[in-house]
Amino acid sequence: DAGVTQSPTHLIKTRGQQVTLRCSPKSGHDTVSWYQQALGQGPQFIFQYYEEEERQRGNFPDRFSGHQFPNYSSELNVNALLLGDSALYLCASSPPSGTQETQYFGPGTRLLVL
Amino acid sequence: TQLLEQSPQFLSIQEGENLTVYCNSSSVFSSLQWYRQEPGEGPVLLVTVVTGGEVKKLKRLTFQFGDARKDSSLHITAAQPGDTGLYLCAGLRVDSNYQLIWGAGTKLIIKP
Repeated sequence: DAGVTQSPTHLIKTRGQQVTLRCSPKSGHDTVSWYQQALGQGPQFIFQYYEEEERQRGNFPDRFSGHQFPNYSSELNVNALLLGDSALYLCASSPPSGTQETQYFGPGTRLLVL
Repeated sequence: TQLLEQSPQFLSIQEGENLTVYCNSSSVFSSLQWYRQEPGEGPVLLVTVVTGGEVKKLKRLTFQFGDARKDSSLHITAAQPGDTGLYLCAGLRVDSNYQLIWGAGTKLIIKP
């Protein structure tokens, strides 16, 4: 049983570009949350998707958007990249009716913006 | 501003020593979790505490939730090099079911 998978593992972009990160949840999970973790910091909640809709959003600008597909996989899109967007982007999935207490994390995508 | 303050930020000790790391807030949490994160990996859940005053043990690790559910501690007895990692606390505030609030973490190094 595969856990949460994310792709790509690493990515280098330049300022102003756009990026799409992908996440496949753990089998049986229907909720996906995205986090940004800057170096030396704890994760910061970006948003959560459930039933293909954004259920809750953290304090991130509209440049950050997402999508959830019928198979529960998810994408995180970031437009107009800034240097400060360089971070580890984590995806976490939760089972049906689970809260963020019962989430499992993927290994993350490390994004470097030059 | 971190809603959950972790201390110390960094700790380097010798194998066999004991240590305690803290997670403090002025907010009340319905539950609080501790994670360990290793380089290049996502956080892995160690424990969830939900009741004020609750104590949970995981081998040499002891977790406590404060009586007022505003703080928590992690105590490691006889630390081993395998305990090295970033320890993160995260809590669900009583006014939210969906959004975990995270501390900045304690980076722990256990020297052989």
